Formats: sequence, structure tokens, C-alpha cells
Amino acid sequence: KQEVTQIPAALSVPEGENLVLNCSFTDSAIYNLQWFRQDPGKGLTSLLLIQSSQREQTSGRLNASLDKSSGRSTLYIAASQPGDSATYLCAVSSDNQGGKLIFGQGTELSVKP
Amino acid sequence: ETGVTQSPTHLIKTRGQQVTLRCSSQSGHNTVSWYQQALGQGPQFIFQYYREEENGRGNFPPRFSGLQFPNYSSELNVNALELDDSALYLCASSWGGPSTDTQYFGPGTRLTVL
Repeated sequence: KQEVTQIPAALSVPEGENLVLNCSFTDSAIYNLQWFRQDPGKGLTSLLLIQSSQREQTSGRLNASLDKSSGRSTLYIAASQPGDSATYLCAVSSDNQGGKLIFGQGTELSVKP
Repeated sequence: ETGVTQSPTHLIKTRGQQVTLRCSSQSGHNTVSWYQQALGQGPQFIFQYYREEENGRGNFPPRFSGLQFPNYSSELNVNALELDDSALYLCASSWGGPSTDTQYFGPGTRLTVL
């Protein structure tokens, strides 16, 4: 049974700092991995999607890496801003059924001005 | 703007009651998935509907049921509510079928069971 874990559960950093969020999964037979952002009481916004054949994806100040063999992914946020404050969730899909995602519990990020 | 809406925004029910949550997708979105997100946890997959048929189910009891309509709107029904059913319920839709990676999430319905 696939399990996804995110560390740390919460993180507080000063504005401008570069930071890394971690995600690990127990079964390396994944189809893809996604990183989402969730603002308090709101739905999810997809940030980056990495196919199992890819090693990383970049979007603006965000870079996500994937190491399938070790069951790990990282989300790197450069030059953090207060507007980055949110909960970040990673999710894996174990087959090509894109809607059946298995999520980690999230990392709550707070960026202080 | 994802165009996925959910209603109601908030709902309070008592234990043992029944509840219906609704999701309206963008035109052409033929696949919808429902998730339950307890406070402080990640979303858990409940089930998925594709072209009005259930296409996979997570580890949820039969009292969680769903429907998808010809216009691709969807309902999540929960019978015999329990306190642990208190959560944010999210729907996510896509247009390319179950194998589509990109899904659009609605804002969720916050259900409180007293």
C-alpha cells in the first residue's frame, strides 16, 4: 500500500530565504508526482507535475525533483515571499488513472516579512 | 479560473443524518473525483466517476455514494453521518478521461457533524 510522507509538518522562514520541502513515498512504482498548494480553507492548486520518467520540473521560483528509486521528491522555493505562505502537498499517482491521487499530509509554510 | 464550483460552502449536520454535496465542473469535463480532507491531513481519495459510471473507489464504506449526471455535474451522498465524517470535501474534474494528469479542484465543502 502506497504511503506518502512529508517532512517537516510546519516550517517558518524569513522572507527571502531559499527553502526545501520534502516528500517521500513507499512504493517506487509511480506514474507521476504532483506538488499542490492549498490556502487556508480553500481547494488545491497544482504547482508542478513530474512524470515518472522525468527528474525535475521548474516553474518560476519553484523547482521540483524526483528520485523514484529512493522514493523521494523535493520542492525547492527560491527567494521566498510572504505570499508563498500556504500548505504544500505532494501527491502520487500509481497508475495512469490521474484522478486517484495519494496525498501526503502537507507542509504548512509561513514566510515572515 | 478553474470553473469548478461546489455547494454548499459550509454545512452543519448531526450524527445519523444524511447529506448531499454538489460539484459543478467546467463544460466538457467528463471525469470527477471526490476527496475527503480531515483537519491537518492530506486529501483521501473517495471515488471517481467517468461518463456517469464509478471508476474506482478508495477505502470508504458504502454509505459514501455518488452520482455523475449527463451534464457532468456530480453529487456526493453520505448516509448515517458519523462525527469522523467532519472534513473538507473536495471535488476535482478533468476533461480527458481518467488518464488525464491535470485536474481542477473546487474550493471544497466544509462539513461539520455534531
